[in-house]
Amino acid sequence: EIVLTQSPATLSVSPGERVTLSCRASQSVPTNLAWYQQKPGQAPRLLIYGASTRATGIPARFSGSGSGTEFTLTISSLQSEDFAVYYCQQYNNWPSSLTFGGGTKVEIK
Amino acid sequence: EVQLLESGGGLLQPGGSLRLSCAAAESTFSSFVMNWVRQTPGKGLEWISSITTSGATTSYADSVKGRFTISRDNSKNTLYLQMNSLRTEDTAVYYCASRGAPFEDWGQGTLVTVSS
Repeated sequence: EIVLTQSPATLSVSPGERVTLSCRASQSVPTNLAWYQQKPGQAPRLLIYGASTRATGIPARFSGSGSGTEFTLTISSLQSEDFAVYYCQQYNNWPSSLTFGGGTKVEIK
Repeated sequence: EVQLLESGGGLLQPGGSLRLSCAAAESTFSSFVMNWVRQTPGKGLEWISSITTSGATTSYADSVKGRFTISRDNSKNTLYLQMNSLRTEDTAVYYCASRGAPFEDWGQGTLVTVSS
C-alpha cells in the first residue's frame, strides 16, 4: 500500500498569508495525486487533480505542484473561508487501491 | 455537479448487517463510476470500494473484502453498500462519491456506529 505523509499536521496562519502544504508518497505515483478541502460537518471537496489541475470552480489562489513522491499545495493568499483540513489522495493504482494522507489542519493564528 | 444523498446508517451490534444507499439526483448516474469512502477520527479517510458504470467490475479495500458488497441499480439512480459481519472498527461516516479517481462529487455522509 502506498502511504501518504502530510506535513505539518497543523498550521497556524493569518489571513492574507501564503500557505504551503506538503504531501510525500512512499513510492512514486507520477502525477496521480489530488488535493481535497474539508470543513467541519462537510464532505471533502476536490481542489486539485493530476497534481496541478484545478477542479471546476476552484479559485486561482489554489495551486498544486510536484510529481513522483513529493507534492505541494499552495494557497497564495489565505482567505477566511480557507480555514479547513486539507487531504492529499493518490490514485496511481485505482481501482485496485487508493489512499489518503492524514491531513493538514489550517487554523487561524 | 452530481447531487448525492446517502441513507441507511445507524447503530448496531458487532456481527450485524446493514445496507447503505446513495441516491443520485440525475439520470447521468449510469455514466459515472461510483465509490464508497469512510471517515473515522482515528484513521481519517479510507477508500472502501468502487464499481464501474455497468456494475460488472467491483473493487474493495482489503479491510472490507469478503464482508462488504457494492452494487448499483442504474434504473433507480442508486448505489448500495451491503455491509456484513460488522466490527467495531467499521464505525465511521460513510460517503458515496462519484467519478474518479479522483472523486468529484460527494454526498453528505451517513454515520454507522458498531457497538455492543
